[in-house]
Amino acid sequence: EVQLVQSGAVVKKPGESLRISCKGSGFSLTSYWISWVRQVPGKGLEWMGRIDPSDSYTVYSPSFQGHVTFSADKSINTAYLQWSSLKASDTAIYSCAKVGGDYYMDVWGKGTTVTVSS
Amino acid sequence: SYVLTQPPSVSVAPGQTARITCGGDNIGSQSVHWYQQKPGQAPVLVVYADSGRPSGIPERFSGSNSGNTATLTISRVEAGDEADYYCQVWDSSSDHYVFGTGTTVTVL
Repeated sequence: EVQLVQSGAVVKKPGESLRISCKGSGFSLTSYWISWVRQVPGKGLEWMGRIDPSDSYTVYSPSFQGHVTFSADKSINTAYLQWSSLKASDTAIYSCAKVGGDYYMDVWGKGTTVTVSS
Repeated sequence: SYVLTQPPSVSVAPGQTARITCGGDNIGSQSVHWYQQKPGQAPVLVVYADSGRPSGIPERFSGSNSGNTATLTISRVEAGDEADYYCQVWDSSSDHYVFGTGTTVTVL
């Protein structure tokens, strides 16, 4: 079964760093782009950007450029989203999604809840 | 940047037809995808490339796209169709993905 398995919920303090993961199962990450999507509770879906795990080429939404970093480890079929300095406004659910042939997201992870609070 | 506008909510009686619109400048020239998201769950792709239906998605879900409006149609609506629905395109000029504002479907 093709799926994306994300790391568990985390609680962090403002200013702390964080890396969350998204592991592909049943397919090779290097064959598809992976998009990251943010959802603030009660709000809509926001596209953060994407990574091509085959060469780690990244594209960031202007809203997130400079605040987050995407990376991938081909050897363990895993993509990552990281922050160097979290803010309270980063509190949200972060999902990874596999990008299909016509730029649609056909497989989604269950999401990682990130809570940033002092 | 490209903007996709959806009505905030649509209400429909069981057995009737729900139509959810997604407005964008010349969206008919783009490939539009639709997602269903139920509370506490990840989004699920229900229509891709304007009118394609992924495996496992009921035939009751269909899509169309022309001019400045794309439409997701849910026929013979069931209680289980209550969810938020989002349209999405890939803006080739910026290499960015864009989601619509989202529509909450309520089954009366």
